[in-house]
Amino acid sequence: KAGVTQTPRYLIKTRGQQVTLSCSPISGHRSVSWYQQTPGQGLQFLFEYFSETQRNKGNFPGRFSGRQFSNSRSEMNVSTLELGDSALYLCASTETSSSDTQYFGPGTRLTVL
Amino acid sequence: GQQLNQSPQSMFIQEGEDVSMNCTSSSIFNTWLWYKQDPGEGPVLLIALYKAGELTSNGRLTAQFGITRKDSFLNISASIPSDVGIYFCAGIQGGSEKLVFGKGTKLTVNP
Repeated sequence: KAGVTQTPRYLIKTRGQQVTLSCSPISGHRSVSWYQQTPGQGLQFLFEYFSETQRNKGNFPGRFSGRQFSNSRSEMNVSTLELGDSALYLCASTETSSSDTQYFGPGTRLTVL
Repeated sequence: GQQLNQSPQSMFIQEGEDVSMNCTSSSIFNTWLWYKQDPGEGPVLLIALYKAGELTSNGRLTAQFGITRKDSFLNISASIPSDVGIYFCAGIQGGSEKLVFGKGTKLTVNP
């Protein structure tokens, strides 16, 4: 099976812009979780989607949002970008529950100038 | 958010040496996972542990789920240069669907 794929791999934006990141889970996996990774904070949970519904949410502002499509692909959107949003954004998929073993994609490196 | 206490933060070792790192928490976890992350890539699952006391190996890697369910350790035997990377522990608490991560152990192996 192909692994989790994320696009784009690298992105440069300026403050105030918005960005959309995409994640395609492993075939057959229905749960997709998103994480933000920074040197200072480590890996922080953003949210999890299952069957097109947000099932869990971390402690991030409303500028961070996501959605999941019927084919389980997920997108994450960040509006009104801030310098502190520069990070590696990772998505992970599992078969049904995020408490199952999670498999990560390579991540999208977002730089906000 | 909550994070696990992972130590050491970094390690510098010679090729061939054994390595040990651990994660602790004040809370009980039902699942412990160990990941390795190479620069610019996502974490790759190394070992998953689902039962207190469980000892699981994956090649030169061995991990254990602590009896108290509040800790886990990872050992790497006979290290090689490609073991270089950042190792993360992660845990899932009962009743929670969220994966909580340690801050990582950066491993450097000198040939």
